[in-house]
Amino acid sequence: GAVVSQHPSRVICKSGTSVKIECRSLDFQATTMFWYRQFPKQSLMLMATSNEGSKATYEQGVEKDKFLINHASLTLSTLTVTSAHPEDSSFYICSARGGRQGSSYNSPLHFGNGTRLTVT
Amino acid sequence: LAKTTQPISMDSYEGQEVNITCSHNNIATNDYITWYQQFPSQGPRFIIQGYKTKVTNEVASLFIPADRKSSTLSLPRVSLSDTAVYYCLVGDLNDYKLSFGAGTTVTVRA
Repeated sequence: GAVVSQHPSRVICKSGTSVKIECRSLDFQATTMFWYRQFPKQSLMLMATSNEGSKATYEQGVEKDKFLINHASLTLSTLTVTSAHPEDSSFYICSARGGRQGSSYNSPLHFGNGTRLTVT
Repeated sequence: LAKTTQPISMDSYEGQEVNITCSHNNIATNDYITWYQQFPSQGPRFIIQGYKTKVTNEVASLFIPADRKSSTLSLPRVSLSDTAVYYCLVGDLNDYKLSFGAGTTVTVRA
């Protein structure tokens, strides 16, 4: 089935630095990818929709200048947490819709394995 | 996006069948119902998806009544490794965006 790869799986950084997280669709093309954030014992919260070749669409309350999203190709989207602070520590997950036939219609979302970000 | 309501938690024992019901009273005509499983520190994993009646795959069955205002995920003969959070999502697949509710924490005991 469709596979979404996320890297790194775990990262620790110092406050004030920036961290880039990659999300790749390995066996299908994804014109749209999604980024979520999940705090302990809570559900996933959609942060933004990443569109290949155009600007990302952010959910209300998500700072676009802090969470930079780039979707430069049909198989790669990146999320950069800029000037990270301890409150940005969370589990970040990406997803994409795709299928082996190449058509994304009615294909379910497939998720990466997440990135645990810890800001010290 | 249709709002969903699931039980917060369910307990079961190995070998039993687990049925999780999700309510989605304001489901729209174009909405599909999708269920995901999530283990701690992992991304959600697709289990099953359906539009109406019954869908079955190698891991679960999904029952959807005619009015589509609810759906039931059935996990046959659960094992300890089925302990996870299960999410019911409802939405128009063409919209791409799916909203996660609180999910149901299923705990399987020996």
